[in-house]
Amino acid sequence: DVVLTQTPPTLLATIGQSVSISCRSSQSLLHSNGNTYLNWLLQRTGQSPQPLIYLVSKLESGVPNRFSGSGSGTDFTLKISGVEAEDLGVYYCMQFTHYPPTFGSGTKLEIK
Amino acid sequence: EVQLVESGGGLVKPGSSLKLSCVASGFTFSSYGMHWIRQAPKKGLEWIALIYYDSSNKYYADSVKGRFTISRDNSKNTLYLEMNSLRSEDTAMYYCAKITGSGDFDYWGQGVMVTVSS
Repeated sequence: DVVLTQTPPTLLATIGQSVSISCRSSQSLLHSNGNTYLNWLLQRTGQSPQPLIYLVSKLESGVPNRFSGSGSGTDFTLKISGVEAEDLGVYYCMQFTHYPPTFGSGTKLEIK
Repeated sequence: EVQLVESGGGLVKPGSSLKLSCVASGFTFSSYGMHWIRQAPKKGLEWIALIYYDSSNKYYADSVKGRFTISRDNSKNTLYLEMNSLRSEDTAMYYCAKITGSGDFDYWGQGVMVTVSS
């Protein structure tokens, strides 16, 4: 199975600060069809996961543009440009290029 | 508005069976693949099963293969997960999720809790 390694496990940020979360894959996530199926999700406490980004950098409808995704192959990054209080929670990367789909272990974003 | 509403969870003994349902609304259910994903208490997310829009293909995680069965009834806009031979390690919140052709898990249900304990 593809292992996704997220760093850091915990992130402490102040409001307005820009932060980045890394997701590294044990295998290239480039599919033979040319797509890279790497998504980012946010799970707030007590809620179901909320999709943020798919295909590495495509923003879900309604997601603020302070969120952005980048990367290729095995290295991917989620950036939040100007953290807001509502952004706290656990961020997960997930891949759907290889079966079975797998998730990173999560990065908990806490607000100072 | 897209909605996915899971039900059927509860407290069961090891070795028991349970069937979860996920009722979909707000989109053409019969056009999309659907997944089940679970999350053990205080743990991360684990994908467990996928069914194609027309039930032509089904895929399972090794941890549930042979014990769980994913199915759907497009006439009822409902996704199912039949779980047999339940173990304590199956204790988790179970989510259904819709997927698009772009690999986008764009909608998730609120989850249903399954607790396996003697």
